[in-house]
Amino acid sequence: QSVLTQPPSVSAAPGQKVTISCSGSSSNIGNNYVSWYQQLPGTAPKLLIYETNKRPSGIPDRFSGSKSGTSATLGITGLQTGDEADYYCGTWDSSLSAHVFGTGTNVTVL
Amino acid sequence: QLQLQESGPGLVKPSETLSLTCTVSGGSISGSSYYWAWVRLPPEKGLEWVGSIYYSGNTYYTPSLKSRVTISVDTSKNQFSLRLSSVTAADTAVYYCARHGTHGDYEYWGQGTLVTVSS
Repeated sequence: QSVLTQPPSVSAAPGQKVTISCSGSSSNIGNNYVSWYQQLPGTAPKLLIYETNKRPSGIPDRFSGSKSGTSATLGITGLQTGDEADYYCGTWDSSLSAHVFGTGTNVTVL
Repeated sequence: QLQLQESGPGLVKPSETLSLTCTVSGGSISGSSYYWAWVRLPPEKGLEWVGSIYYSGNTYYTPSLKSRVTISVDTSKNQFSLRLSSVTAADTAVYYCARHGTHGDYEYWGQGTLVTVSS
């Protein structure tokens, strides 16, 4: 089982906002950078957020990342049907000496 | 634009060794501050990091697979490879090769290849 816990699913209407939480501990999120990935069905994951709150070139500012203590959050505003996907958080776990990913969250646009 | 492409058998028998290769194009594996990794996605489960390698050959693996995994690099071919021994059905997954930075951000990914473990 993953050491990073995410809600299995979130949903909202087009144009609305969703937030996805990623809960960890001091050995991972609490003391390391967090990244976020979007995985559309049948495709490879895509980096959305790196170093907790930075967006790679080409990622719209509708996507944002933040962290507080041992939890991180991905926010998506102006929800679009094309945002329907699985989303994963990721970080380094100092106790495990391993990269870890969250359990994943499926986003549905109602 | 950096591109990664996995190759290898899609079907492996139980107890045998899974072998995959990732070919990198559009950039060099050598002489950069990036790591080259394997990540897998089992059916109905989440992403799992398998292990990473630096171009110098330094490796690190996920603890649960460490005894069965070997990742190697061939800088002359701009490739890196995965070997996973003594496979079982639990190793059935889509395997991705990817590049990540020192802070664990995976910016480039291959398209993924499905490996099924079955007799």
